[in-house]
Amino acid sequence: GQQVMQIPQYQHVQEGEDFTTYCNSSTTLSNIQWYKQRPGGHPVFLIQLVKSGEVKKQKRLTFQFGEAKKNSSLHITATQTTDVGTYFCAGGTALIFGKGTTLSVSS
Amino acid sequence: GAVVSQHPSRVICKSGTSVKIECRSLDFQATTMFWYRQFPKQSLMLMATSNEGSKATYEQGVEKDKFLINHASLTLSTLTVTSAHPEDSSFYICSALPGSSYNSPLHFGNGTRLTVT
Repeated sequence: GQQVMQIPQYQHVQEGEDFTTYCNSSTTLSNIQWYKQRPGGHPVFLIQLVKSGEVKKQKRLTFQFGEAKKNSSLHITATQTTDVGTYFCAGGTALIFGKGTTLSVSS
Repeated sequence: GAVVSQHPSRVICKSGTSVKIECRSLDFQATTMFWYRQFPKQSLMLMATSNEGSKATYEQGVEKDKFLINHASLTLSTLTVTSAHPEDSSFYICSALPGSSYNSPLHFGNGTRLTVT
């Protein structure tokens, strides 16, 4: 069945460093969504990408959808301690979730 | 807008008892709701898809007789953990899909921390 793989599983950075998480699907995705879950909280919707090659930005966050619509990435520029949490991608007709990337940031 | 209320947020129950968790969409109708289980520092594991007016679709390995799902209205889905055991202790989260298209963002409840003693 359809699978969504996400790497890395964990990432620790120093405050100010950049961070990227990657999402790969075994099949073409109609859309991809990104969510953030803070420690102890619930996932919160960040953004949705629909078009091939689409790039969207939210302040220091840049989201990209691959040309083949099989992969996506989330890049955070100059991380801050408030970026701490687990970032999930979800895609496809059944919104399959990746395993998430947990980001920790030390100041 | 698009608020999902999940209740209770925490529950402690004795082994062998049943626990009901409610998931309500407060300001929109949700034909489809999802139930997840999340272990510490792990991803969301989809347990079942709840469709209003029909039987829930369970993921492989999830016991439908143990995790009873009822989606009786367009704003309410319930998950009942029957005859709970300590291994059922976990964080359970629901999400609701506004409308009928999977192109819409999911809105999550705050989750329920279940502890079975």
